[in-house]
Amino acid sequence: DVKVTQSSRYLVKRTGEKVFLECVQDMDHENMFWYRQDPGLGLRLIYFSYDVKMKEKGDIPEGYSVSREKKERFSLILESASTNQTSMYLCASRPTGQVLETQYFGPGTRLLVL
Amino acid sequence: AQTVTQSQPEMSVQEAETVTLSCTYDTSENNYYLFWYKQPPSRQMILVIRQEAYKQQNATENRFSVNFQKAAKSFSLKISDSQLGDTAMYFCAFTPNFGNEKLTFGTGTRLTIIP
Repeated sequence: DVKVTQSSRYLVKRTGEKVFLECVQDMDHENMFWYRQDPGLGLRLIYFSYDVKMKEKGDIPEGYSVSREKKERFSLILESASTNQTSMYLCASRPTGQVLETQYFGPGTRLLVL
Repeated sequence: AQTVTQSQPEMSVQEAETVTLSCTYDTSENNYYLFWYKQPPSRQMILVIRQEAYKQQNATENRFSVNFQKAAKSFSLKISDSQLGDTAMYFCAFTPNFGNEKLTFGTGTRLTIIP
């Protein structure tokens, strides 16, 4: 079974703090994704990566950055957390070239910024 | 740009009944793929069913089936003999068929199965 893990299920941070959200997958997938999930807005793509050290902006990249130094790990960074970044963050992975293949999701990190 | 619309924010149905969740999408592509994902309370998102746009036959997975109407750009999910474990958020998603790995999601429908 594919496993996607996220470093924290719940996180509380203060405004202005630098926040790291970590995601690890164990199936050697090339593609990894970061979404945020908000009520009434569904899932919105923040960033994705199709290979090590490669990244592309999604639909809402402002205020976020990412890092992919190793194939299995994809980190989301909030350089200076703000209250409007309070949300559920979901990581996903999938292999390249198999359009019908599902994205495999992690359990999510619920972030509260005070 | 593609958009996916789920017009039912919440639905509820009695156990063992049939329920249909609606999804419409907008695209200029002729070939693409559609998905329904399920997110149970406090659990991970999982794939329920998928459909290739060039296939006219509607996809079926056990109690889950879709009604894919390409001309109308509609992709509804039917759950037959609903069970308590079907209680979840359901998301419709779209991806075009040209190596783009990204999914575009709808806003979701919260489905509650009533005992």
